[in-house]
Amino acid sequence: AQSVAQPEDQVNVAEGNPLTVKCTYSVSGNPYLFWYVQYPNRGLQFLLKYITGDNLVKGSYGFEAEFNKSQTSFHLKKPSALVSDSALYFCAVRDGSNYQLIWGAGTKLIIKP
Amino acid sequence: KAGVTQTPRYLIKTRGQQVTLSCSPISGHRSVSWYQQTPGQGLQFLFEYFSETQRNKGNFPGRFSGRQFSNSRSEMNVSTLELGDSALYLCASSPRNPAETQYFGPGTRLLVL
Repeated sequence: AQSVAQPEDQVNVAEGNPLTVKCTYSVSGNPYLFWYVQYPNRGLQFLLKYITGDNLVKGSYGFEAEFNKSQTSFHLKKPSALVSDSALYFCAVRDGSNYQLIWGAGTKLIIKP
Repeated sequence: KAGVTQTPRYLIKTRGQQVTLSCSPISGHRSVSWYQQTPGQGLQFLFEYFSETQRNKGNFPGRFSGRQFSNSRSEMNVSTLELGDSALYLCASSPRNPAETQYFGPGTRLLVL
């Protein structure tokens, strides 16, 4: 069965430090992987996606994610965190031929000044 | 382009009542998905509509229903409300299917008393 896991409920990072939000997945076939962000009292916003091609995907707001097939991971990264990056981050994977996305539980990212 | 709009933004109902939530997708988008977001369960897929047809359905009881109109606007209805239905209900649209980039509305926050 297709699944996605975000092993950390919360990640704390000091402003200016690099950040990583982890995501691992289990799918049959080639994965379509996504990262979305949710700011307080807002809907989700698309950050980036991997479908095929370069393993390093660049997205909005300076975020990037690295697709690692052997480790079945798609970790979200940013070289230098901003306080404004504090939000809830969701990883998702496409459910095979069914176009639906399977969502991770979300990781709360807190950037401290 | 105008973003995804959802009405109302906030709603208070009592147990046993029914509620209808509305979603207007981005112009030209034909796929509309609905999600329930709660602190304990995360983001749960309700259903997806495409060209007025329900294409996929999540694991929710029959009290949850929806429809899509010819202009792609969508409504979801919850009958016989229960306390556990209190949640943020998110609508997302995409051109053809959810595996493309989804654009989310701000959500409708429903409180059932």
